[in-house]
Amino acid sequence: DVKVTQSSRYLVKRTGEKVFLECVQDMDHENMFWYRQDPGLGLRLIYFSYDVKMKEKGDIPEGYSVSREKKERFSLILESASTNQTSMYLCASSPLDGGYGYTFGSGTRLTVV
Amino acid sequence: EDQVTQSPEALRLQEGESSSLNCSYTVSGLRGLFWYRQDPGKGPEFLFTLYSAGEEKEKERLKATLTKKESFLHITAPKPEDSATYLCAVQSSGYALNFGKGTSLLVTP
Repeated sequence: DVKVTQSSRYLVKRTGEKVFLECVQDMDHENMFWYRQDPGLGLRLIYFSYDVKMKEKGDIPEGYSVSREKKERFSLILESASTNQTSMYLCASSPLDGGYGYTFGSGTRLTVV
Repeated sequence: EDQVTQSPEALRLQEGESSSLNCSYTVSGLRGLFWYRQDPGKGPEFLFTLYSAGEEKEKERLKATLTKKESFLHITAPKPEDSATYLCAVQSSGYALNFGKGTSLLVTP
């Protein structure tokens, strides 16, 4: 089974902290994605990467950055956490052509206090 | 810009009461339409991909269909364990998926 593993299920951080969310996939997928999910807003794309060291902004990149140093790992970084970044964060991966399905991790519920 | 609209927002069914969920979309060029199931507190779980109008796919009590403007997820004789949020997403010119807001389904015994 394809697995996408997110390092934490729940995180509580303080305003202004630098936060790292880690995601690892084991299927040699080229593409990796970070979404956030909020009630009433659905899933919104933050950043994605189609290759090592490559990244593209999604719909809501402000306040976030990403790092992809190895093919299997994609990190989301909140440079200075704010309360409006409290959300469910979902990582996903797919083959380059995106065909038969994007596989999601279980999510990280981040609370910024 | 891609637009994906799901209806209804919420649906309550009695066990055994068949129904359909709708996903209407506007894209510049559809590469694929995806259906996912999401349980509370978990990540979305892949159900189907549809690529062209007229295509249908089935899995247990679920059947997905696709036209040029919309997709339906038909649920036949649902059971309480089918309760979940069902998400529709489209892939057009890029790599990423554009999601609708989902339909929350509750099936009561």
